[in-house]
Amino acid sequence: EPEVTQTPSHQVTQMGQEVILRCVPISNHLYFYWYRQILGQKVEFLVSFYNNEISEKSEIFDDQFSVERPDGSNFTLKIRSTKLEDSAMYFCASSEAWGHGGRPTYGYTFGSGTRLTVV
Amino acid sequence: AQSVTQPDIHITVSEGASLELRCNYSYGATPYLFWYVQSPGQGLQLLLKYFSGDTLVQGIKGFEAEFKRSQSSFNLRKPSVHWSDAAEYFCAVGDAGNNRKLIWGLGTSLAVNP
Repeated sequence: EPEVTQTPSHQVTQMGQEVILRCVPISNHLYFYWYRQILGQKVEFLVSFYNNEISEKSEIFDDQFSVERPDGSNFTLKIRSTKLEDSAMYFCASSEAWGHGGRPTYGYTFGSGTRLTVV
Repeated sequence: AQSVTQPDIHITVSEGASLELRCNYSYGATPYLFWYVQSPGQGLQLLLKYFSGDTLVQGIKGFEAEFKRSQSSFNLRKPSVHWSDAAEYFCAVGDAGNNRKLIWGLGTSLAVNP
């Protein structure tokens, strides 16, 4: 079964450093997402990406965050200058194209996550 | 605004007992509803989803959920819980707009007594 692959599984970084979280979505999927989950809290939407541009972002996704699909296969989340409160599990997801009649089929697949610890 | 409420933060059941996890949603149109499970330190695994049609949805691991529009609910059930079902369970509603993001509940932590 196709998988969404995320690397690394765990990253520790010093406050103020830049981090790049990497994801390889499922190859025929067209929609890409990043979510995060702070320990003990609910999963939160960060950003969606379609047709090589951000289609929606949450208020969490400020200027410190950016996403990129540099080579047609990888999908990255960059945090420019990490803060302690960025410590969380970050999930990448991808979703297939619209289904028949314009209704989404929600072939939504999550990666296993990257646990980011900012110290 | 869309929202998901999972009223029970923590539930403990005995192995072999039945289980029902509650989920209520707020969404203006026909919702796309999901249940995910997360074992400690693990990713998010889809248990089942509802888009349309039969309101009783069967999922993996013996789980089912029933969509009740009149109650804005999508409760998850299992007739007989196994110790391996101990995990965090999340209900989510999908935004049917162009971006199709998921809006999540806070989750219900399930503990299973032997």
